[in-house]
Amino acid sequence: DAKTTQPPSMDCAEGRAANLPCNHSTISGNEYVYWYRQIHSQGPQYIIHGLKNNETNEMASLIITEDRKSSTLILPHATLRDTAVYYCIVRVANHGNKLVFGAGTILRVKS
Amino acid sequence: DSGVTQTPKHLITATGQRVTLRCSPRSGDLSVYWYQQSLDQGLQFLIQYYNGEERAKGNILERFSAQQFPDLHSELNLSSLELGDSALYFCASSVEGGEQFFGPGTRLTVL
Repeated sequence: DAKTTQPPSMDCAEGRAANLPCNHSTISGNEYVYWYRQIHSQGPQYIIHGLKNNETNEMASLIITEDRKSSTLILPHATLRDTAVYYCIVRVANHGNKLVFGAGTILRVKS
Repeated sequence: DSGVTQTPKHLITATGQRVTLRCSPRSGDLSVYWYQQSLDQGLQFLIQYYNGEERAKGNILERFSAQQFPDLHSELNLSSLELGDSALYFCASSVEGGEQFFGPGTRLTVL
């Protein structure tokens, strides 16, 4: 699985959009970008994933650059409950393999 | 609530002892994964089972073993416990190749 690079921490004001970047310059053509988050020692929670098109669900949007070397997770209206560690993971989908977690980005949403 | 259950929530034991952690996957999920999260190592994959068979192994110590039963629940057995085994242990489940849904974890403290 390709390696990802994320900033160690970010702050965001409550109600504003939180934009979390991820670099994955060695991503292969069949690898997807996955995002998970972990709220204070709870089990990681799946957020979204995508291959090359932008994706949106009820939790977030995922923007992947055309060359697929980087992506941005967008939480459109961050709340205090979105304070968590966010993990960007690259892996081959439809392949029951493990998730490789890096250090992630600590997002602090402040009122 | 992810639908994955883990018991017990907390476990305190002594060095040299043996413990068993239990995981019940979401209904319909055939894959079960075990992860360890310690302060210095982050989230690390231990082992995966699919429909009762071992599918993949990570950096799982020889003192650790796991199995998945016909009803698809899984158990992680940790023996000859050391202080360094103190960690959060998460179980996740998925359909074949799908997103992984994590349980709330078991916090193991070895004294």
